[in-house]
Amino acid sequence: DADVTQTPRNRITKTGKRIMLECSQTKGHDRMYWYRQDPGLGLRLIYYSFDVKDINKGEISDGYSVSRQAQAKFSLSLESAIPNQTALYFCATSDGTGIGPQHFGDGTRLSIL
Amino acid sequence: GESVGLHLPTLSVQEGDNSIINCAYSNSASDYFIWYKQESGKGPQFIIDIRSNMDKRQGQRVTVLLNKTVKHLSLQIAATQPGDSAVYFCAENSPGGYQKVTFGIGTKLQVIP
Repeated sequence: DADVTQTPRNRITKTGKRIMLECSQTKGHDRMYWYRQDPGLGLRLIYYSFDVKDINKGEISDGYSVSRQAQAKFSLSLESAIPNQTALYFCATSDGTGIGPQHFGDGTRLSIL
Repeated sequence: GESVGLHLPTLSVQEGDNSIINCAYSNSASDYFIWYKQESGKGPQFIIDIRSNMDKRQGQRVTVLLNKTVKHLSLQIAATQPGDSAVYFCAENSPGGYQKVTFGIGTKLQVIP
């Protein structure tokens, strides 16, 4: 089983809809992250969480919100989806030291029509 | 198909040859660097890392070189195999309250059988 699991893997929806992307991990890591990936751009950070009570905005948080339901679960919501939020979304985790690689899920491909 | 590979620099290498993928990083204060491999339909996968107090680090068939003077990082893959075909990107960690990670856009490696 994957260490970092994202659901759904693919989603097509319409402008204005609310969408939730979910992420769960079995690595026991405290830190979790949400990124989006667009063609020709590096991964960009949307939100990050260092523990259940700690949520921080990343560089592109507008239009997104998150919830850290447990150490193992971190969900990303688009309250009212718009077409320029069409992208690949990745969840990642890292351990609490902060010095180390991040471990990624296999992504959610989201299309907003 | 995976759209992340569009608009990326591409390196084509004959199977069995060595590959060298380059990355220029932006922050001279960055103290930790990571190479990731992203296969089509998958999330980024950690390959190798290096701290700023080192110039070279070797793994299994991979070597990372760090030149802090010119802020340059390279990934060398020995005896490239078809399974090495993927997008490779570097990431730099900048020190601070949150270990800010900046990801490069990547290079697409195509292995010619």
